[in-house]
Amino acid sequence: EPEVTQTPSHQVTQMGQEVILRCVPISNHLYFYWYRQILGQKVEFLVSFYNNEISEKSEIFDDQFSVERPDGSNFTLKIRSTKLEDSAMYFCASSDTGRGNTIYFGEGSWLTVV
Amino acid sequence: AQSVTQPDIHITVSEGASLELRCNYSYGATPYLFWYVQSPGQGLQLLLKYFSGDTLVQGIKGFEAEFKRSQSSFNLRKPSVHWSDAAEYFCAVDRGTSYGKLTFGQGTILTVHP
Repeated sequence: EPEVTQTPSHQVTQMGQEVILRCVPISNHLYFYWYRQILGQKVEFLVSFYNNEISEKSEIFDDQFSVERPDGSNFTLKIRSTKLEDSAMYFCASSDTGRGNTIYFGEGSWLTVV
Repeated sequence: AQSVTQPDIHITVSEGASLELRCNYSYGATPYLFWYVQSPGQGLQLLLKYFSGDTLVQGIKGFEAEFKRSQSSFNLRKPSVHWSDAAEYFCAVDRGTSYGKLTFGQGTILTVHP
């Protein structure tokens, strides 16, 4: 069964450093997403991406964050100048259509900011 | 505020017992409804979804869920729980107003006793 893959599975970074989390969505999917889950809290939507641009972003997704699809297969989340409160599990996801369709999630990337 | 509520943070059942996990949402229109499961160290796996039509939906691993419009609920059930069902279960809602923006409940941790 096709799956969304994410790397790294776990990353520890110093506060203030830049982090790039990488994802390979399911190959025929057109919509891509990032979600995050701070320990003990709900899974939260960060951003959706379609046709090489952001479709929607949450209030969490400020100028510190950016997303990119650098080639035909990868989808990245960059966090500039990480803060302690950025420590979370970040999930990449994809779907073949937009509204109301099944969203497939990756296994997540644990980010620990120290 | 519009939200998704899973009233039970932690549920413990014996193997072979029946299970019901509750989910309520507070949106004006009927949204798209999902249940995801997250096993330790794993990503979010879709169990089932409701878009329209028959209000009783069947999912993977023997799970089913029933949509009740009058109660704004989408409860997940399984007639006989297996030890491998121990995981965290998330109810999620897509309001259909944006692309792939799921709102998650806070999750219910299921413990299964032998």
